[in-house]
Amino acid sequence: AQKVTQAQTEISVVEKEDVTLDCVYETRDTTYYLFWYKQPPSGELVFLIRRNSFDEQNEISGRYSWNFQKSTSSFNFTITASQVVDSAVYFCALRGSNFGNEKLTFGTGTRLTIIP
Amino acid sequence: TAGITQAPTSQILAAGRSMTLRCTQDMRHNAMYWYRQDLGLGLRLIHYSNTAGTTGKGEVPDGYSVSRANTDDFPLTLASAVPSQTSVYFCASSETTGGPYNEQFFGPGTRLTVL
Repeated sequence: AQKVTQAQTEISVVEKEDVTLDCVYETRDTTYYLFWYKQPPSGELVFLIRRNSFDEQNEISGRYSWNFQKSTSSFNFTITASQVVDSAVYFCALRGSNFGNEKLTFGTGTRLTIIP
Repeated sequence: TAGITQAPTSQILAAGRSMTLRCTQDMRHNAMYWYRQDLGLGLRLIHYSNTAGTTGKGEVPDGYSVSRANTDDFPLTLASAVPSQTSVYFCASSETTGGPYNEQFFGPGTRLTVL
């Protein structure tokens, strides 16, 4: 069975601080895919990034960066110089490649509040 | 581009009544999904469809049914609603269920309250 753990239920930081959201996953598949989604207060789910298990390069997109480490089964998400618009619930998700594991498994989410 | 539309936006339903949540996508994606989102539980897969004409059960399928008559539409039916089905329901789609190009795109959600 696959599992995604987001141990941080809620985080609050002051605007302009950096913040890291943790994501730890479990899977027996050798090929798998990791995702981050953002759910702002308006409620929609916004796709942020996909990372394949065979590509451990970290990625930076503006103020967002992702640190994928297979050795620790983690796919952490860092927001640099946070802004109020970053306030949202963030979900990490995992999709395997073997039969029965092809569906997305979501973590329970981390609610991030940026304090002005 | 509209992407994925869901209807209704919200609904209050009496227990025991039936209801169909509608989902339509215009991206010609093969795969479609229904999730429910509950506080503290994240998103859980109810049913999915790999392609038109096929459906499958997800993590929490009991009390729900789906059909996939064509590529664009994937309705979710509650035959006899119960209060535990109070939730926010999200429809999603992806190009395929397999392979690397499989990020899912979500609709705006339907907030359902069963009394």
